[in-house]
Amino acid sequence: QKEVEQNSGPLSVPEGAIASLNCTYSDRGSQSFFWYRQYSGKSPELIMSIYSNGDKEDGRFTAQLNKASQYVSLLIRDSQPSDSATYLCAALTGNQFYFGTGTSLTVIP
Amino acid sequence: DAGVIQSPRHEVTEMGQEVTLRCKPISGHNSLFWYRQTMMRGLELLIYFNNNVPIDDSGMPEDRFSAKMPNASFSTLKIQPSEPRDSAVYFCASSSDIEQFFGPGTRLTVL
Repeated sequence: QKEVEQNSGPLSVPEGAIASLNCTYSDRGSQSFFWYRQYSGKSPELIMSIYSNGDKEDGRFTAQLNKASQYVSLLIRDSQPSDSATYLCAALTGNQFYFGTGTSLTVIP
Repeated sequence: DAGVIQSPRHEVTEMGQEVTLRCKPISGHNSLFWYRQTMMRGLELLIYFNNNVPIDDSGMPEDRFSAKMPNASFSTLKIQPSEPRDSAVYFCASSSDIEQFFGPGTRLTVL
């Protein structure tokens, strides 16, 4: 079982809709979680970090963490074509970072 | 800040040749990470350093791979000899606490 798992997608949503990206992790000792956006041919870019249960909002992005269920999600409100990218979920467990394989999101104009 | 700097951005080499990838972390960051990304395996952590000391190299695939960090502002990842299956994008990332910032990557092609 991989440490961090994501649905590879592709996920397609119409412009203006809410995109919901999900991630599960296997180690209950994981303490910090991150969402990275990666455009094709570019490097991962940190967009959200979350450390405690609940929601964290930053502009159009909301990260949600549920440690009891061991899942992390990212909601993108008012999706724009520029949000089309691969979204990587990462978990910090001890001193180790584990990345999921990413979910490809396409926002259709 | 210039961000994490990597060189070269692209490298094409022949099987058996030595390849050296270079990274300059963000000034003030005390942790440096080397990753490899492929379509098949995603993003894999190869090794990371804290205060220039290698902490975990369990992700280094084989003895053909080696990494050094002689000072706080420079690190190298060397592959000797290179093989076609080493073809990938290699990222360097740095952090000052737990949030990592990635460099632009080096796209390596081994023919």
